[in-house]
Amino acid sequence: NAGVTQTPKFQVLKTGQSMTLQCAQDMNHNSMYWYRQDPGMGLRLIYYSASEGTTDKGEVPNGYNVSRLNKREFSLRLESAAPSQTSVYFCASSPGTYTEAFFGQGTRLTVV
Amino acid sequence: DQQVKQNSPSLSVQEGRISILNCDYTNSMFDYFLWYKKYPAEGPTFLISISSIKDKNEDGRFTVFLNKSAKHLSLHIVPSQPGDSAVYFCAAFGSYGGATNKLIFGTGTLLAVQP
Repeated sequence: NAGVTQTPKFQVLKTGQSMTLQCAQDMNHNSMYWYRQDPGMGLRLIYYSASEGTTDKGEVPNGYNVSRLNKREFSLRLESAAPSQTSVYFCASSPGTYTEAFFGQGTRLTVV
Repeated sequence: DQQVKQNSPSLSVQEGRISILNCDYTNSMFDYFLWYKKYPAEGPTFLISISSIKDKNEDGRFTVFLNKSAKHLSLHIVPSQPGDSAVYFCAAFGSYGGATNKLIFGTGTLLAVQP
């Protein structure tokens, strides 16, 4: 039982490049989340998916797009990376609302 | 607009003493709260939660207290151990854009337990 798996673990991008961060969970959870963690800012919600086929914006959605490909997978896409998107990105999943969320190990992204 | 606030960036306590981590929230619609612990280079892990119908929940050395009128919750760790040294995040189910279904985190408190 792997839980929440994120790929890649590390990535360096040049400004303007695009990339997709992958997230998959094997717990049959309905809800999935993408967060970014920056020093002094805590964990800020980028996008959220309550169930397969639905997505909703969080606190900091600008510059990102998401796809809930199926119940297991929730990907985060940066279309044109900017240095301000240098961060650690975490994916999480939960059975639903008002339950604990389980996190992946994170993706450390640097945009130069 | 930070809806969940942890005003102490760091806290240092002696091993064996009590650690008290505080959290304030602004939205009275929040009704389920969680605490997470995070070690460096790892994802956050769930510690303990509390529903707004309760004012206290206990799990071993960890107790969470909720004061709804003050919109304040706290996490007590007794006794503190060096392995408790980590960043602690408070979180709440709340809303952006009207729906109460998004898990919102505070900025975190770095706890250092001195041997």
